[in-house]
Amino acid sequence: AQSVTQPDIHITVSEGASLELRCNYSYGATPYLFWYVQSPGQGLQLLLKYFSGDTLVQGIKGFEAEFKRSQSSFNLRKPSVHWSDAAEYFCAVGAAGANNLFFGTGTRLTVIP
Amino acid sequence: EAQVTQNPRYLITVTGKKLTVTCSQNMNHEYMSWYRQDPGLGLRQIYYSMNVEVTDKGDVPEGYKVSRKEKRNFPLILESPSPNQTSLYFCASKRDLNQPQHFGDGTRLSIL
Repeated sequence: AQSVTQPDIHITVSEGASLELRCNYSYGATPYLFWYVQSPGQGLQLLLKYFSGDTLVQGIKGFEAEFKRSQSSFNLRKPSVHWSDAAEYFCAVGAAGANNLFFGTGTRLTVIP
Repeated sequence: EAQVTQNPRYLITVTGKKLTVTCSQNMNHEYMSWYRQDPGLGLRQIYYSMNVEVTDKGDVPEGYKVSRKEKRNFPLILESPSPNQTSLYFCASKRDLNQPQHFGDGTRLSIL
């Protein structure tokens, strides 16, 4: 069965500190992986995606993620967090040729001065 | 500007009163979906459409209907809303199956 696990419901970091949000997935086919960010009252914005190739992918707003097949993980990282990064982050998995995305339950990021 | 537009953004209504949430995209995308977002559950797909007049159930279709008479529009219909359909709803579209989805800003429905 397909599933996405984001083990951290809520993370608090200081502005300027590094960030890593965890995502583990279970998927029967070769996965397509995504990270979305949702600011309050807004829709979901795509941060980055992995389809194939280089396992370290760069996204917008200085985010990157690394696909580790052996660990079934796709963790999101940022070297220095800004206050504007406070939001909820969703990891999602899909497959080539499939219409559905399976989402994790989200990680809420709080940034303190 | 490329966008997915949902209306209304907020709605409070009562049990049993039919309602429609509209979704329109201006990107000529073939694929459109509806999701609901609930605390602790993430987003779950309700229905999706692969083209005009082609729709199919997602993971949580009960109590919902959709139609796709035009490529740009994909309304979500609640014929007889119930309180368990109180949720945040998102419409999404994508150009083809192997592309990321573009999401609307969401519609918050409260069914009393």
